[in-house]
Amino acid sequence: QTVVTQEPSFSVSPGGTVTLTCGLNSDSVSPNYYPCWYLQTPGQAPRMLIYTTNNRSSGVPDRFSGSILGNKAALTITGAQADDEADYYCAVYMGSGSWVFGGGTKLTVL
Amino acid sequence: QLQLQESGPGLVKPSETLSLTCTVSGDSISTINNFWAWVRQPPGKGLEWIASISYTGSTGYNPSLRSRVTISVDRAKKQFSLEMNSVTAADTAVYYCARLRKREPSYWGQGTLVTVSS
Repeated sequence: QTVVTQEPSFSVSPGGTVTLTCGLNSDSVSPNYYPCWYLQTPGQAPRMLIYTTNNRSSGVPDRFSGSILGNKAALTITGAQADDEADYYCAVYMGSGSWVFGGGTKLTVL
Repeated sequence: QLQLQESGPGLVKPSETLSLTCTVSGDSISTINNFWAWVRQPPGKGLEWIASISYTGSTGYNPSLRSRVTISVDRAKKQFSLEMNSVTAADTAVYYCARLRKREPSYWGQGTLVTVSS
């Protein structure tokens, strides 16, 4: 069973930089897994931030960036703002029309 | 502009079948590279991919739910559907429909809360 791992929680100061990661229990995350990142605030549907490792969705500020760091996908927020406080989910494509989501990271900005 | 709208009962009794439909506007069900998917989120928990059906009609299922779930598509109505049988309280969740693509942004519906209770 594939498990996607994320930090359960993270904290960043306003204006600071934070990197969230997304790993696999069975392999290294590579672009071949088309890793993507979502932001979700309470009561709202997830909003895609990053697709295919490092491509920003339309309207996403450039303070959000995606990459591969070591054997994991990463989401970096540079110059964090108060309204970046949210849950962040990564997802990877496992082939044959199958996706797996990570458990999510609760980001606190304080 | 692509839009997806979930519809279906908000309350289902234990052991019965949950049935949801997603109506698509702004795209064709048959557009190449489209995967039409269902994702759920139990209250206070994370996202869980349930199933997908591709533009060719091939399907993929979450292994933990495969035995209880069926995804299907009605191209003429521009709808795709989810059926989950033998539901329990653990299936209470917000259910989202989505268009997923490997190399492009995804689009999601607003979600619909389904409660399993007698």
